[in-house]
Amino acid sequence: NAGVMQNPRHLVRRRGQEARLRCSPMKGHSHVYWYRQLPEEGLKFMVYLQKENIIDESGMPKERFSAEFPKEGPSILRIQQVVRGDSAAYFCASSPGGLREQYFGPGTRLTVT
Amino acid sequence: GESVGLHLPTLSVQEGDNSIINCAYSNSASDYFIWYKQESGKGPQFIIDIRSNMDKRQGQRVTVLLNKTVKHLSLQIAATQPGDSAVYFCAERNQAGTALIFGKGTTLSVSS
Repeated sequence: NAGVMQNPRHLVRRRGQEARLRCSPMKGHSHVYWYRQLPEEGLKFMVYLQKENIIDESGMPKERFSAEFPKEGPSILRIQQVVRGDSAAYFCASSPGGLREQYFGPGTRLTVT
Repeated sequence: GESVGLHLPTLSVQEGDNSIINCAYSNSASDYFIWYKQESGKGPQFIIDIRSNMDKRQGQRVTVLLNKTVKHLSLQIAATQPGDSAVYFCAERNQAGTALIFGKGTTLSVSS
């Protein structure tokens, strides 16, 4: 049973470009969470989605960031017009339902130059 | 407000010793807690969880203790091994029940 998959593992973007991060949850999991981790810090919650629905986006910056989890395909975290402060590791987690243990993917490390 | 923190940023132990990693939380209404292990360059790995109706839960070589009176959580690792070297995070469920709130982490270093 494959774990949570994220791609790309590393992404380099120049300021002003768009970044698209993908997450495929574990088989049988319909709940997806996105977190951001800055160096030497803990993970910060960004958004919680179920299929085709955003349940909680209280941790998402109001501008430039968006997330989706379509009926088919992976969850996407999209960052428009990236700035240097967006450089971080972005982790996706999935769970089978509610807030039981969340299983994390390996993360996407975004570097904005 | 909601916040989770750890008492010590680093902990160094000898192989074979028992390790205790501590965490304090501020939300007395929190009902679910998880410990994660994160190795360099990897995502957090689930270790053990505990619900607020329990004081103690044991796994393989790990024990989590919950003291709701002082809002304190600890992770005990028995017979610590070099492979246990990592950053350990405690996390609590947020008030909405929709996400986890992570502390800053304790770096455990195990020397042979």
